[in-house]
Amino acid sequence: EPEVTQTPSHQVTQMGQEVILRCVPISNHLYFYWYRQILGQKVEFLVSFYNNEISEKSEIFDDQFSVERPDGSNFTLKIRSTKLEDSAMYFCASKLAGEPHNEQFFGPGTRLTVL
Amino acid sequence: RKEVEQDPGPFNVPEGATVAFNCTYSNSASQSFFWYRQDCRKEPKLLMSVYSSGNEDGRFTAQLNRASQYISLLIRDSKLSDSATYLCVVNRGRRALTFGSGTRLQVQP
Repeated sequence: EPEVTQTPSHQVTQMGQEVILRCVPISNHLYFYWYRQILGQKVEFLVSFYNNEISEKSEIFDDQFSVERPDGSNFTLKIRSTKLEDSAMYFCASKLAGEPHNEQFFGPGTRLTVL
Repeated sequence: RKEVEQDPGPFNVPEGATVAFNCTYSNSASQSFFWYRQDCRKEPKLLMSVYSSGNEDGRFTAQLNRASQYISLLIRDSKLSDSATYLCVVNRGRRALTFGSGTRLQVQP
């Protein structure tokens, strides 16, 4: 069964460093998302991406964040200068089509720890 | 007011029990509704979509009341493997999913 994959599973970084989290969405999916979940809190939307551009972003997704689809398979989230409060689980998700009832499939997540 | 509100629980129930979770959402423009399940430190996984007419999938029944902006999930004959956090999720069209904080269920032998 096709699945969303994410690397690395755990990333430890120093405050102020740049990190890139990588995702490979399901191959024929067209809509891509990043969410984050701070430990003990709810899953929060960061950004959605369609047709090679950002289609929606939350207030969390400030200038420190960027996304890219550098080739036909990868979808990356970059945090330019990490802060302690960026420590969270980051989930990538993809969806086949835009219909609202279509399922978003989530990857296993990258646990980011900022020291 | 939170966009999606759930009772955090935990709900501690014995095996075989029936348990119900409720959820309310604030945005009347919400179009799609889901229950996701999340195991500890894992990704959310779709349990079932929720349709206006109500729908059932095995031991799980979901109901939607658009007038009251209320969604429910009923689990019958609880199994130990049902222990997880159940996330109420809404979607406004093509937009991102909005998650509730989740209701934790612990099924005990």
